Amino acid sequence: DVKVTQSSRYLVKRTGEKVFLECVQDMDHENMFWYRQDPGLGLRLIYFSYDVKMKEKGDIPEGYSVSREKKERFSLILESASTNQTSMYLCASTDVAAFTVTFGNGTRLTVT
Amino acid sequence: AQSVTQLGSHVSVSEGALVLLRCNYSSSVPPYLFWYVQYPNQGLQLLLKYTTGATLVKGINGFEAEFKKSETSFHLTKPSAHMSDAAEYFCAVSEGQAGTALIFGKGTTLSVSS
Repeated sequence: DVKVTQSSRYLVKRTGEKVFLECVQDMDHENMFWYRQDPGLGLRLIYFSYDVKMKEKGDIPEGYSVSREKKERFSLILESASTNQTSMYLCASTDVAAFTVTFGNGTRLTVT
Repeated sequence: AQSVTQLGSHVSVSEGALVLLRCNYSSSVPPYLFWYVQYPNQGLQLLLKYTTGATLVKGINGFEAEFKKSETSFHLTKPSAHMSDAAEYFCAVSEGQAGTALIFGKGTTLSVSS
């Protein structure tokens, strides 16, 4: 089975800190995605990547950036964390041939 | 641009009753459609997906969904609800090309009472 691993399950950071959320997949998938999940809003796409060093903005990229230096790793960066970025963050990767999207278990980030 | 509308943020049924969760989508090209379930404090689990072919799709745990192009709908059903079905359900769409980003609806919370 494909595994998508997010490095932290819970994270607490202070306003203004630079925050890194890490995601690693073990199946050589080309496509990777970052979403945030908020009650009543569902999952919203932040950024995605179709290959190493490639990135595309999703629906809500403001305040975020990403890095994909290696195929298996896709990092989400909050340059200066703010309280409105308190949320659940979900990483996903896609098997294009089978079109199966696999999600990590999420990182619950609290910014105080 | 593609979008997904889930009608009803909360649905309550009795155990043994029919479950119907509604999903409508907009897409400029033939869509790929998905239903995911999320149990409390857990990640998203794929229930079923429609890509091409048969419009009635069967998934895990007795759920099924029917793609109706004329109605731009992909409603999720289960003939008989079980207490363990209580969870949040998300409908998602991807525009036709495998591997492109999924766009999600806002979710429907299903409650099942005994």
